[in-house]
Amino acid sequence: QKEVEQDPGPLSVPEGAIVSLNCTYSNSAFQYFMWYRQYSRKGPELLMYTYSSGNKEDGRFTAQVDKSSKYISLFIRDSQPSDSATYLCAMRSDNYGQNFVFGPGTRLSVLP
Amino acid sequence: DAGITQSPRHKVTETGTPVTLRCHQTENHRYMYWYRQDPGHGLRLIHYSYGVKDTDKGEVSDGYSVSRSKTEDFLLTLESATSSQTSVYFCATSGPGGLGNEQFFGPGTRLTVL
Repeated sequence: QKEVEQDPGPLSVPEGAIVSLNCTYSNSAFQYFMWYRQYSRKGPELLMYTYSSGNKEDGRFTAQVDKSSKYISLFIRDSQPSDSATYLCAMRSDNYGQNFVFGPGTRLSVLP
Repeated sequence: DAGITQSPRHKVTETGTPVTLRCHQTENHRYMYWYRQDPGHGLRLIHYSYGVKDTDKGEVSDGYSVSRSKTEDFLLTLESATSSQTSVYFCATSGPGGLGNEQFFGPGTRLTVL
């Protein structure tokens, strides 16, 4: 079992839809949770950062962390064609020092 | 965007040859990282640095070495390239005071080992 699991997609949705992206993980020591967006042939860019459990909202994006279920989600409201990208979840534990663990990414296409 | 550049951006080489990839940053960030990205595996940490001359191994360090003689430069060397090292390599940095939760990534280097 991989440490972080993520459905690779591709996920295709119509413009304006609500998108739900998810990751599950096995290591209960993870405390810091991040979502990155990666456009084709570009480096990842940080979208959301959450510490421990709870929700965080930033514009059209909402990140949720459920540590009891070892499950994190990213919701995108009113999705736009410009949201078409691969979304990577990442997590870290103080026990691991600077080691981040990334999910394999979910490829999202928002169709106009 | 953080000022991170990688060179070369593309490279094709043959098995057994040495290869060095360079990461240069202009942000004065303390931490620097090298990742590889492969289909189905996501980003995997190769090595990281927490200061000049201070480096440590990541998840997939075998076959790779790094050096950091200046704050702004972090070099990744494949001493004897193998086909399994064909990948896209990303450099990342994070700021001096943080735990590195906000990482800024470079544009990547596509390496093909024939």
